[in-house]
Amino acid sequence: DIQMTQSPSSLSASVGDRITITCRASQSISTYLNWYQQKPGKAPKLLIFDASTLQSGVPSRFSGSGSGTDFTLAISSLQPEDFATYYCQQSYDVPITFGQGTRLQI
Amino acid sequence: EVQLLESGGGLVQPGGSLRLSCTASGFMFSRQDMCWVRQTPGMGLEWVSGISASGARTWYTDSVKGRFTISRDNSKNTLYLQMNSLRAEDTAVYYCAKDSPRTSGYFFFDHWGQGMLVTVSS
Repeated sequence: DIQMTQSPSSLSASVGDRITITCRASQSISTYLNWYQQKPGKAPKLLIFDASTLQSGVPSRFSGSGSGTDFTLAISSLQPEDFATYYCQQSYDVPITFGQGTRLQI
Repeated sequence: EVQLLESGGGLVQPGGSLRLSCTASGFMFSRQDMCWVRQTPGMGLEWVSGISASGARTWYTDSVKGRFTISRDNSKNTLYLQMNSLRAEDTAVYYCAKDSPRTSGYFFFDHWGQGMLVTVSS
């Protein structure tokens, strides 16, 4: 199975900050990497797919980059509604696997 | 608007069975692969199973192979997960998830159900 490792596990930031979250795959996954946002009690929401493509309706302050084994999710100018948990997910092979999550706190 | 409405969760004893259902609307259900994903506080998000649009192909994570069966009825726009020989470690919130249209690779999910809790306990 492909292991996905996110860092950091938690992150404190302020409104207006720029933050980055890293996701590393245990083997090359090309650009088959997706990012989700999850708020408490809610289902995950797709933000970015194929490493860098913004899902329809997602604000442009979210961006993704990377290929192979190393990927980054960036959020420029944090808004109050961005404080949530973020997960990466590889869609290169089955079993599909997720990172352990990064909790973004105020 | 895409909607995925799950049902069938609840409390079951170890060794018992449960069938989850997910009724879809707002898209061509018969043309999309579908999956089940579960979430526990300790293990985070875990992909459980997937099924092709026609139902001809299925995939499972190792921990549920031989115990869980994914199926679909395209005439009813409904996805199922039959869970047998349930264990305490199957306790989780289970989500039905719609695969996003793609030309390569495997599943990623542009819509999710609301989630339902399955608790395996005596």
